[in-house]
Amino acid sequence: DQQVKQNSPSLSVQEGRISILNCDYTNSMFDYFLWYKKYPAEGPTFLISISSIKDKNEDGRFTVFLNKSAKHLSLHIVPSQPGDSAVYFCAARGDTGNQFYFGTGTSLTVIP
Amino acid sequence: ETGVTQTPRHLVMGMTNKKSLKCEQHLGHNAMYWYKQSAKKPLELMFVYSLEERVENNSVPSRFSPECPNSSHLFLHLHTLQPEDSALYLCASSGSPYGANVLTFGAGSRLTVL
Repeated sequence: DQQVKQNSPSLSVQEGRISILNCDYTNSMFDYFLWYKKYPAEGPTFLISISSIKDKNEDGRFTVFLNKSAKHLSLHIVPSQPGDSAVYFCAARGDTGNQFYFGTGTSLTVIP
Repeated sequence: ETGVTQTPRHLVMGMTNKKSLKCEQHLGHNAMYWYKQSAKKPLELMFVYSLEERVENNSVPSRFSPECPNSSHLFLHLHTLQPEDSALYLCASSGSPYGANVLTFGAGSRLTVL
C-alpha cells in the first residue's frame, strides 16, 4: 500500500498566481520530507525539504508546510513561473533512515 | 562530468538478452541506490549500497542483479526480463545511507523489454 500519496496527477496555474501541490502520508514515523522536481528526460532534482519538528520551511518562491496531525504536506510556489512547469514528487524518509518513499507525482503546468 | 551519470539512456532488449545498466557518481558520496519508476506508480526502491556493501534489497526478483565495485560505480545486471519490467531505472547517491537528507538522481535509463 502506498505510504505517500499525491492525489492530483496534474495542476494548471496562471503565471504569477500561486501553485499549491499537496501530499498525504500514512506513516507517523516519517521524520523528514522532501519535494523533488523533474523535467522530461532528466532525473528528479531536490527542491526543498522539511523536518518533522517544523511546520514550515521557506526558500525563495517555494514554501513547504507540514501538518503532522493531518499527515499532510503542501508545496506553495508563488509567484508561479512558466519555468516551474514540471512533475513534482513528494517524498518521505522512513525511520530506518535509508528508505525514501515517493508519491506518484503531480504535473504542474504554468500558463504564460 | 559532474553529478550522477547513467548509461545507456535508452535500452531495448528481448526477454532472453543479458544487459547491464551503469551508474557513476562524481560527488564523493558513499551510498548509492537503484529506483524503478513505472508509469503512474511511485518510485520504488530496489537496492541500497553503502561503501560497496548492499544494505537494502526490497524483495527484487533475482533477474535483477546489482553490483557495486566501488563507492563511485553501481551496475544493474539484467537477464531474462519480462515485459512488465519496462520502466525508467533511476540511480541515486547520498552522503550517507543512514539519515541521508537528500538523494541526488541521475537522468535515468529507459528500459523497454520486448
